[in-house]
Amino acid sequence: KAGVTQTPRYLIKTRGQQVTLSCSPISGHRSVSWYQQTPGQGLQFLFEYFSETQRNKGNFPGRFSGRQFSNSRSEMNVSTLELGDSALYLCASSLEGIETQYFGPGTRLLVL
Amino acid sequence: AQTVTQSQPEMSVQEAETVTLSCTYDTSESDYYLFWYKQPPSRQMILVIRQEAYKQQNATENRFSVNFQKAAKSFSLKISDSQLGDAAMYFCAYRNYGQNFVFGPGTRLSVLP
Repeated sequence: KAGVTQTPRYLIKTRGQQVTLSCSPISGHRSVSWYQQTPGQGLQFLFEYFSETQRNKGNFPGRFSGRQFSNSRSEMNVSTLELGDSALYLCASSLEGIETQYFGPGTRLLVL
Repeated sequence: AQTVTQSQPEMSVQEAETVTLSCTYDTSESDYYLFWYKQPPSRQMILVIRQEAYKQQNATENRFSVNFQKAAKSFSLKISDSQLGDAAMYFCAYRNYGQNFVFGPGTRLSVLP
C-alpha cells in the first residue's frame, strides 16, 4: 500500500496570506490527524478528522482549520499567516484512530 | 490531561552498544496504547514499537524492546546493538480511546562510530 502523502512538500508565504495543505491517507484509513512541529514547541496536535467529522481539536486559534472529504483525504487551512506559523506540518493516518498512526513526510511552511 | 515526559533531551551511544531511552506518562485510564516513534534527519516519523496497556508482556521488534511498568507509568525503549542508522529524534507517545495522541518532547540520540 502507498504511504501517507502530503502536498506540497515545501511552501513559502508572506504574513497575512493564507495556505492550504493537503494530506492523502493510506488506503482504507479513515482517521487523519494534523500536527505542527517547531523546534521550540515540539510536536503539537492540531486536529483529528474521522469520517469527515472533526473528532478532536488541539489548542490552536481559529485561523487553523481543516476538513476531510468522503475519500478520507484531508486539507488543512491557515488563514492570516503569522511568522510563528513557520513549521513542519505533519499529517498522520490510522484505521480508526486509536491504533498506530502512520505519518506523511510533512509540509515545511516558511512564513516571511 | 494526559502528559508524556521524556527526561533525557539528548543521549549518545557507541555503535554496537545498548542504550535505554526513558519515558513516563500521566493518566488515570486503564486501557491505552503507548508508542515509540523515530524521526531521522529526513523528518519522516517512523513507528518503532507499540505496546497495549492490557498486555503484560513487553513488546519487542528486532533490536528494539520496551520495559513497560504500568503501575509506575513508565515506558522505556531499549535499543540493542546500536547502529549508525539509529541516530534520530525519538518520541514517546500515548493514546487512549476518544483522545488524541500525546507526544513527549523527544530525545535526540546520537550514535558514535
